[in-house]
Formats: sequence, C-alpha cells, structure tokens
Amino acid sequence: GNSVTQMEGPVTLSEEAFLTINCTYTATGYPSLFWYVQYPGEGLQLLLKATKADDKGSNKGFEATYRKETTSFHLEKGSVQVSDSAVYFCALGGNAGGTSYGKLTFGQGTILTVHP
Amino acid sequence: DAEITQSPRHKITETGRQVTLACHQTWNHNNMFWYRQDLGHGLRLIHYSYGVQDTNKGEVSDGYSVSRSNTEDLPLTLESAASSQTSVYFCASSEVAGGQNEQFFGPGTRLTVL
Repeated sequence: GNSVTQMEGPVTLSEEAFLTINCTYTATGYPSLFWYVQYPGEGLQLLLKATKADDKGSNKGFEATYRKETTSFHLEKGSVQVSDSAVYFCALGGNAGGTSYGKLTFGQGTILTVHP
Repeated sequence: DAEITQSPRHKITETGRQVTLACHQTWNHNNMFWYRQDLGHGLRLIHYSYGVQDTNKGEVSDGYSVSRSNTEDLPLTLESAASSQTSVYFCASSEVAGGQNEQFFGPGTRLTVL
C-alpha cells in the first residue's frame, strides 16, 4: 500500500537559515504529492502540491519537486522566518481507480521552530 | 466564504459514554473525511464518504461510526468512548473523487476521554 516517510523532527533553525524537510514515498502508479502546514491550534492548510513527475510546487517561498526516480518530494525554503514555525506534513494522493483513490496518506509530521 | 466547521472545539467525556463530533462544510464537496492526529502518527483516516448515503472505513475505524444524510454534514460517533480515543480529530472535504484534489480541513476537535 501507499506510505510516506518524513524527516524526523523537531527541527530548530535561526531566522534566515535554509530549510530542508525530507519526504519519500512508496506508491504504485503516479500519485499526486502535497505539503500541508499546521499552525498552532489550527487545522491543516495546503502549502503546495505537484501532480506529475518533475513538477515543482511553490508557495510562500517554499518549494518541492516531484522526483519519481528517487520517490521523493523534499520541502525547501531559502530563508525561514519566525512565522514559519509550524508542523509540516507530506502527503500522497491515491491514484485513480486504485483502492486509495480520493484519499490522502500522511507522513508523521515535522515540527519546525524558527528562532529570531 | 465557503468553510468547514467542527463542533465542539474541545470536549471532555468519561469512558463508556457515547460522543458525537459534528462536521459541517459549505463547499458543496462530495467527499468528506475524518482523521485523528496523534503525536508520532501524523493523521490517520478513520472514516470517509464519497457522497450522500455512502460511508467507508479507514485504517483506524474500530469504535467509530459515521452517517451521511446530506452533502454538508458528516458526524463522527464514538459508540463507547475509550481512553485510547483521546486525540485531536479533524474533518476534511474535497471535490469529486480524485487523488489530485486538495482536501480542506476544519479547525479540529480536541477530545479527552477520562
């Protein structure tokens, strides 16, 4: 079945540091890939997504590239801010026609704390 | 603006009691989902629905039930609450069935079972 493995946290960085959160997946076919962000006390919000190999999703300075050859979708940001402190989830969307169709499989989440 | 709401936001109950968590969306989405969030486990799917009168079990459905009588609502019922069901519960909705479609999440309900 589908699975997502995310970089263990927590991650603590200073403001303006470079961020990478690793995400790898196991799936058949061509799933869509997502990064969600959860700010304290809130629900999850979509940060970015990619629907096919070599697609790059980007939003708010964050980027992730769908790498089918390495089954990865690593999240990066060149210069983090205190306001980026949150929990980040990598997720995989089920393929059309498969048993996971319409559902998301989530990684365990990575807590990011950014200090001034 | 369309939204998805959950109530209550916080709930404390006792072991053995029946509890119902409400989820209401105004996106007019066909798909609705219930997840629980626990430290170290990410989000795990409890139940989901692809439309009115349709319900399906997720990976952690034991002890939970749902019913879908209209497009907007998918209440989650804990038949006999257990301490292992202490968690944060999230409801989500999405457009017609499709792996590429974003799910929109509610703000969550924090449930404590004593």
